Amino acid sequence: ETGVTQSPTHLIKTRGQQVTLRCSSQSGHNTVSWYQQALGQGPQFIFQYYREEENGRGNFPPRFSGLQFPNYSSELNVNALELDDSALYLCASSPDGRWYNEQFFGPGTRLTVL
Amino acid sequence: GEDVEQSLFLSVREGDSSVINCTYTDSSSTYLYWYKQEPGAGLQLLTYIFSNMDMKQDQRLTVLLNKKDKHLSLRIADTQTGDSAIYFCAESIGDDKIIFGKGTRLHILP
Repeated sequence: ETGVTQSPTHLIKTRGQQVTLRCSSQSGHNTVSWYQQALGQGPQFIFQYYREEENGRGNFPPRFSGLQFPNYSSELNVNALELDDSALYLCASSPDGRWYNEQFFGPGTRLTVL
Repeated sequence: GEDVEQSLFLSVREGDSSVINCTYTDSSSTYLYWYKQEPGAGLQLLTYIFSNMDMKQDQRLTVLLNKKDKHLSLRIADTQTGDSAIYFCAESIGDDKIIFGKGTRLHILP
């Protein structure tokens, strides 16, 4: 059974560019949540996908968008990058559309915006 | 508003108990969680408690919830060097939102 994987590990972009981050959920999990963790802060919930539909969203602008595919893997897209988007982006999968079922986190993608 | 507060640092001697505290503001929280993050790693769910429970024990971990004061604590008995990490408190509000605190860095003294 493979765990949650994320790609790429690190990424450097410049302000105004667009970025796509990818997440493969754990086998058997149909729910993926995305989080932004700035340095020294706790994770902030961006959104959750459950069976290919957005199932909840935090306080992030529309330039943060996502997709979930039939195999339950997911993408996070960020348009018009800003310096403050520099952070560790975490995805987590769970076997149901709820968090109290154990969320398994991936190692994260470190995004640096210059 | 929705907020989760934690103290930033805690130092504990190896073998002693660690108590990490958290306060939250939203009384409609459904579940409260404790996560652990080790350097360079993602988060690991340690334990969670339903909002109508007062206490939950799981091996060395004890969670206490005071719903009236909106206060949550995590006690780690017999703290070991492997417990050194950042601990995050979080609350889920309904089924579509989860809010994390900024984390408490636990440092183990020899």
